[in-house]
Amino acid sequence: DIVMTQSPDSLAVSLDERATINCKSSQSVLYSSNNKNYLAWYQQKPGQSPKLLLYWASTRESGVPDRFSGSGSGTDFTLTISSLQAEDVAIYYCQQYYTTPRTFGQGTKVEIK
Amino acid sequence: QVQLQESGPGLVKPSETLSLTCTVSSVSITNYYWSWIRQPPGKGLEWIGYISYTGGASYNPSLESRVTMSVDTSKNRFSLNLTSATATDAAVYYCAMSTGYYLDYWGQGTLVTVSS
Repeated sequence: DIVMTQSPDSLAVSLDERATINCKSSQSVLYSSNNKNYLAWYQQKPGQSPKLLLYWASTRESGVPDRFSGSGSGTDFTLTISSLQAEDVAIYYCQQYYTTPRTFGQGTKVEIK
Repeated sequence: QVQLQESGPGLVKPSETLSLTCTVSSVSITNYYWSWIRQPPGKGLEWIGYISYTGGASYNPSLESRVTMSVDTSKNRFSLNLTSATATDAAVYYCAMSTGYYLDYWGQGTLVTVSS
């Protein structure tokens, strides 16, 4: 199985400041034939189901604010919230869909400082 | 607006079979891939597996010996059966839809407790 490891486990950021979450996979999720990274990011607000934020590592899902961005390739990825808003308080998960079983990171909890 | 709704018993006895159904609205189940994911209380997400409308499926090896998924195209829904339930199977179970490989839409989840 591909192990996904996120860091940090939690972070507290002031409103309008930047939040950065890292995700590392135990093997590359870059498919060489199409040069795509098979990685997604999800947001889970308290008491809700997860919601797709980004796929192919950096493509925003329709309706997702542009303050959310994704970067990275191969085994190292980053989710950045450029200006944290109160409604962004949530747990964020990365997930690889390069192979089965699909695997998730352990989650990163984002709070307001 | 795609909607998915999980249903099934909220309480399952140890050693019995956990059975859940996901009813899909606003899109035909004869497209895409249909997944189950679970989340133990206070913990992270675990992928259980997916199935296509043709019946082709892929299961997490950690659960494969106990898992069966099926699709009912006439009712636009799909199901999960997990046999020999134990306390470690207690979780919120989510169904989800994949247009590609990632999980585009999720249901609201249903909590399943395993207890006698």
